[in-house]
Amino acid sequence: GEDVEQSLFLSVREGDSSVINCTYTDSSSTYLYWYKQEPGAGLQLLTYIFSNMDMKQDQRLTVLLNKKDKHLSLRIADTQTGDSAIYFCAEKGTYKYIFGTGTRLKVLA
Amino acid sequence: DTAVSQTPKYLVTQMGNDKSIKCEQNLGHDTMYWYKQDSKKFLKIMFSYNNKELIINETVPNRFSPKSPDKAHLNLHINSLELGDSAVYFCASSPLGLAEDNEQFFGPGTRLTVL
Repeated sequence: GEDVEQSLFLSVREGDSSVINCTYTDSSSTYLYWYKQEPGAGLQLLTYIFSNMDMKQDQRLTVLLNKKDKHLSLRIADTQTGDSAIYFCAEKGTYKYIFGTGTRLKVLA
Repeated sequence: DTAVSQTPKYLVTQMGNDKSIKCEQNLGHDTMYWYKQDSKKFLKIMFSYNNKELIINETVPNRFSPKSPDKAHLNLHINSLELGDSAVYFCASSPLGLAEDNEQFFGPGTRLTVL
């Protein structure tokens, strides 16, 4: 099948780290993606990782990929209130992009 | 501003009506998409066009008819609207086709409410 699963909600305190997890099924995707959706807006690409990499760091963001377990995670260090949004992981299947179920991150001040 | 734009942003209509949503991208991209996001925020591909040609029709009812008059535009017409069509519809574009991985650029969405 082509399912990309995420936990639906995550709540953290400002300044803490957030970890958003994702499991995917299609191992042929060259890249795996994280998109961010702020309230009332469309999705925006946040970061991505090449499928041959285990880790990618981009300022406060760290992406970890466990290809054997088909598990992808996004860590946000020093989480800020502006990070409150819905985060989608995505993979490219055979002929379309498949988005995860989305994780709503709520940052408490 | 270079972007993907959609009109209208909000659309409220009665069951049985016909409505259209317009999308334009000025990014020079080859591929455009329509996605449907339901109330639980699940995002599903509906259609994909590459250079005005239909590439994907993801088992969408034929009440939905996309039209791409040129590479920069992909409009969505919906006939005989049903309650279950209520959702946020996102247009997106990407520089390359589906043979290669590339970033998708999303419009701001059109919230359709069918009463």
